[in-house]
Amino acid sequence: GQSLEQPSEVTAVEGAIVQINCTYQTSGFYGLSWYQQHDGGAPTFLSYNGLDGLEETGRFSSFLSRSDSYGYLLLQELQMKDSASYFCAVRSPFSGGYNKLIFGAGTRLAVHP
Amino acid sequence: NAGVTQTPKFRVLKTGQSMTLLCAQDMNHEYMYWYRQDPGMGLRLIHYSVGEGTTAKGEVPDGYNVSRLKKQNFLLGLESAAPSQTSVYFCASSYSTSGGTDTQYFGPGTRLTVL
Repeated sequence: GQSLEQPSEVTAVEGAIVQINCTYQTSGFYGLSWYQQHDGGAPTFLSYNGLDGLEETGRFSSFLSRSDSYGYLLLQELQMKDSASYFCAVRSPFSGGYNKLIFGAGTRLAVHP
Repeated sequence: NAGVTQTPKFRVLKTGQSMTLLCAQDMNHEYMYWYRQDPGMGLRLIHYSVGEGTTAKGEVPDGYNVSRLKKQNFLLGLESAAPSQTSVYFCASSYSTSGGTDTQYFGPGTRLTVL
C-alpha cells in the first residue's frame, strides 16, 4: 500500500520555530514536495527534495532522508500568516511512465500571538 | 497571467443531476489534473491528462468523466451525482511530471454539495 503520515495539528507562537514531520511508504519514490493551503484557498507549492539533505527557501526549509523514508518542513520566525495546512506529497511512478503526487492528509498549523 | 481558473466556484446539486466543472490554464502546460479534497484527507487524484486529446484514470475515477479537447481546458463531468461526491474539487496543471519542473499549480477550487 501507499501511505504518508504527518501530524494532524501543530500549535506554535509567533517568532518560534516549528517542524512538521512526514513519513512515507510508497511503491516507488522520486521525491518529496510540500504544499501550503490557507483555509478556503488553493494549495501552493513550497519546496521539493529529490535528494537527501536540506533545501532552504527563506524562512522555510525542507529535509529528506530517503533511507529513513522521512522528511520534514521547518518553518522559522513564525508569522500569523503562516497559519495554514501543510501537505507533504510524494512523487511516485504512475501508469504510462508518468509520475503522480500522493498527498498526505495535511498538518494544520495554528500560530498564536 | 490568470494561472489556473475554475468555474463554478460553488454548486449545489440534487442526487442524480449532472454537471460539468471547467478548468482553464494559460501557462501552456501539458499536464492537467483533477483532485478531490475531503475533510481530514489529502488531495486524491480523480483523472489526469498528459496532453490535448488524452485522458487517464487516477486513484478515484468512479462516477466521473473528463475531456481535454483543447490544451488549455480540462473538463470534469458528473453524470449522475451522488451525496458521496460532495467535496471540494481542485484542478491543477504542470509543465511535466518529472524533476523539479513538475510543480503543480492549483485553481481556486469548486465547492460541490450533493443533496
